[in-house]
Parts: sequence; C-alpha cells; structure tokens
Amino acid sequence: DQQVKQNSPSLSVQEGRISILNCDYTNSMFDYFLWYKKYPAEGPTFLISISSIKDKNEDGRFTVFLNKSAKHLSLHIVPSQPGDSAVYFCAATFSGNTPLVFGKGTRLSVIA
Amino acid sequence: ETGVTQTPRHLVMGMTNKKSLKCEQHLGHNAMYWYKQSAKKPLELMFVYSLEERVENNSVPSRFSPECPNSSHLFLHLHTLQPEDSALYLCASSQDLSSRGWTEAFFGQGTRLTVV
Repeated sequence: DQQVKQNSPSLSVQEGRISILNCDYTNSMFDYFLWYKKYPAEGPTFLISISSIKDKNEDGRFTVFLNKSAKHLSLHIVPSQPGDSAVYFCAATFSGNTPLVFGKGTRLSVIA
Repeated sequence: ETGVTQTPRHLVMGMTNKKSLKCEQHLGHNAMYWYKQSAKKPLELMFVYSLEERVENNSVPSRFSPECPNSSHLFLHLHTLQPEDSALYLCASSQDLSSRGWTEAFFGQGTRLTVV
C-alpha cells in the first residue's frame, strides 16, 4: 500500500504563474515532510520541509502547506520559472530512525 | 558536484552477468543508502548502512548484494538479474541515522541499469 501519494503525474504551468503540487499520505505517524526536486540524469535534491507542528513553511518562492486533518500537503511555487521544470517528489518520515517514504513524483513543466 | 558520486552512470548487462555499482561520498557522512527508482513507482529504499554495518534490508532479492567496506564507499553487486530489475539505482548518504539524519540525505546522480 502506498503511504505517500502524488496523484498527478504531470503538471504544466505558464511562466510567472503559481505551480501547486499536491501530496497525500495515509500514515498518521508521519510527522515530518519534505519535497525533493529532481532534474533528468541527476539525483533528487532537497527543496523544503515542514514539521507536523506547523501548517506552513516558506522559503523564497517555495511554500509548503500541511493539512494534518486531511493528511495532505502541497508545494506552491510563485512565480514559476522555466528552471523549475523538474520532477518533484514528496517524502515523509516520523521521529526516530525511519527512512524516507517517497511518492511517485510529479513532473512540472513551466512554459515560457 | 553533489558530494556523492556514482559509477557507472549507465550499465547494460545480460541476465547471466555479474556487475557492481559503486558509490563514493566525500561529505564525511556515516550513513549510506541504496534506492531503486522504477518508472511510475515511488522511490524504494533497498539497503541502509550506518558506520559500515547494514541496518536495514527491505526484502531485496539476494541477486542484489551490498557491500560497505568503509564509511565513504558503498557497492551494490549484481548477479543473475531479471529484466524487471532495469531501473535507476540511486545512492545517498547522510550524516547519521539520528531522527533527522534520514531527511538530510544527499543523493548521487544514479546509475541507469538495463538488464537484457
């Protein structure tokens, strides 16, 4: 059973607009969530994270929102830039020595 | 330069071959991992090493055999693989296995493996 789900395999957004990438999880034990960005032929790189004690974390153009009751998080990118075109992975973990559980990823294309 | 280097970048092997994937990190990290990325599937954690000791093996078939001779190097030995093993194999490292060590993993560029 997939514990972290990214139901949209792809998303196209115009440059300058907002990109919203969604992620749902099923394990209520998860208390820390991350977004990774992956370019072709490269490994994933860490982008932004959020702890379950918060509902929002912002870093520049990137904001992650967490809705614990809905077991849902989203990544907002504003304004979107062509260089943001990549695959975005949502990941989750919980306190202790537990590995990251990744979603399948969403391919974002930002069109100039 | 990510600090985590994987070789080779691409590998094509027959089902009867034996090959090895190599991972090297120069970040001073104590934990290293192998992940498998298949098309349309989530990243799958395969093996975890901490201070050269294997601490996790997620039901990976024995045709995959990891080796961690020291904290900077990690190998994945492959033998008698199946076509469905074709995937991108990613190595990662992190400072340690403390509660957030998992989350600060740095990934290599991956080895694209094709089994024919």
